[in-house]
Amino acid sequence: GENVEQHPSTLSVQEGDSAVIKCTYSDSASNYFPWYKQELGKRPQLIIDIRSNVGEKKDQRIAVTLNKTAKHFSLHITETQPEDSAVYFCAARPFSGGYNKLIFGAGTRLAVHP
Amino acid sequence: DAGITQSPRYKITETGRQVTLMCHQTWSHSYMFWYRQDLGHGLRLIYYSAAADITDKGEVPDGYVVSRSKTENFPLTLESATRSQTSVYFCASGGSGTFSYNEQFFGPGTRLTVL
Repeated sequence: GENVEQHPSTLSVQEGDSAVIKCTYSDSASNYFPWYKQELGKRPQLIIDIRSNVGEKKDQRIAVTLNKTAKHFSLHITETQPEDSAVYFCAARPFSGGYNKLIFGAGTRLAVHP
Repeated sequence: DAGITQSPRYKITETGRQVTLMCHQTWSHSYMFWYRQDLGHGLRLIYYSAAADITDKGEVPDGYVVSRSKTENFPLTLESATRSQTSVYFCASGGSGTFSYNEQFFGPGTRLTVL
């Protein structure tokens, strides 16, 4: 079945540094790749997404890149701040009959130290 | 978001008991989903529904039953709870078309403990 692998599982950075989280997916027909942020004790919330016909998308300090050939996509956070500390999940939407379901990675716990 | 709610928020039950987790959304989203979240596994899809009376299995459906008689409600039932079903359960809704790229909005979650 479809699978999404996410690395690293934990990431620790100093405030102001950049953070990069990488994901790979198995279904080459996947066409939508969102990223969710989950703060401690809260629900996951969408922070950025990218479609398969786009190679890069940026929103202020966060950006996502997609390499369809390698089946890789990455989240980049620049100028990290303590409030960026959270668990980040990548996801891929497999093109399986058109249903709008997502397969999530296992998550990356990001800690930003002042 | 107040538009999607789950109840109860916390539940403790015993092995073998039937438990139903409720999910209600006010956005008239076509799609609804149930996930479980366990450390090291991220969010795993249990069941999903594209519309009322249309449901399908996700990655980990064994031991769970769903129904969707109304667009706004999507209850999840554990017919005979097991300890391995101890988890945080999230309901989500989203999407208005089969091939749309719509955000999934998550409910606040239900923390279930099976003793």
